[in-house]
Amino acid sequence: DVKVTQSSRYLVKRTGEKVFLECVQDMDHENMFWYRQDPGLGLRLIYFSYDVKMKEKGDIPEGYSVSREKKERFSLILESASTNQTSMYLCASSPLADRPNIQYFGAGTRLSVL
Amino acid sequence: LAKTTQPISMDSYEGQEVNITCSHNNIATNDYITWYQQFPSQGPRFIIQGYKTKVTNEVASLFIPADRKSSTLSLPRVSLSDTAVYYCLVGDNAGNNRKLIWGLGTSLAVNP
Repeated sequence: DVKVTQSSRYLVKRTGEKVFLECVQDMDHENMFWYRQDPGLGLRLIYFSYDVKMKEKGDIPEGYSVSREKKERFSLILESASTNQTSMYLCASSPLADRPNIQYFGAGTRLSVL
Repeated sequence: LAKTTQPISMDSYEGQEVNITCSHNNIATNDYITWYQQFPSQGPRFIIQGYKTKVTNEVASLFIPADRKSSTLSLPRVSLSDTAVYYCLVGDNAGNNRKLIWGLGTSLAVNP
């Protein structure tokens, strides 16, 4: 089974802190994604990466950056956390193949910014 | 870009068949339709994917009419454990992940 592991289930940070959310997948997938999920807004794509050191902005990249130094690891960075970034963050991966929209998700990190 | 619209919530009873419809009027030629299931405190999980007509697996069926402007996820004989949020996703298979359009999810409650 594909396993996508997010480093923390719950995080509490203070406004202005730099926050790192880590995600690791064990299936050698080329694509990796970061989403945030908020009530009534569904899943919104923040960033995705289709290869090591490659990244593309999603729908809501403002206030975030990402890093992909190794194929299995994709990090989401909040440069200066703000209260409006309190949310559930979901990481996903998918093989490059011909069906990029079959994604495998981690369990999520619930981030609270105080 | 395709926009996906699905009902916010649905109610059902154990043993019934549940059909959840997703509307995607602007679906593009290369777009596939994919459905995910999400339980509380978990990430979404892939259920089924299709391009046209009907697809069936051990969990569900997916019906897509000829014009592909909508799709219906069918869950046969639901049980309490099918209570979850179901997401419709429309996107192409050309490797452009920015064209993945998620619906807002349908919260299904299965009652005893």
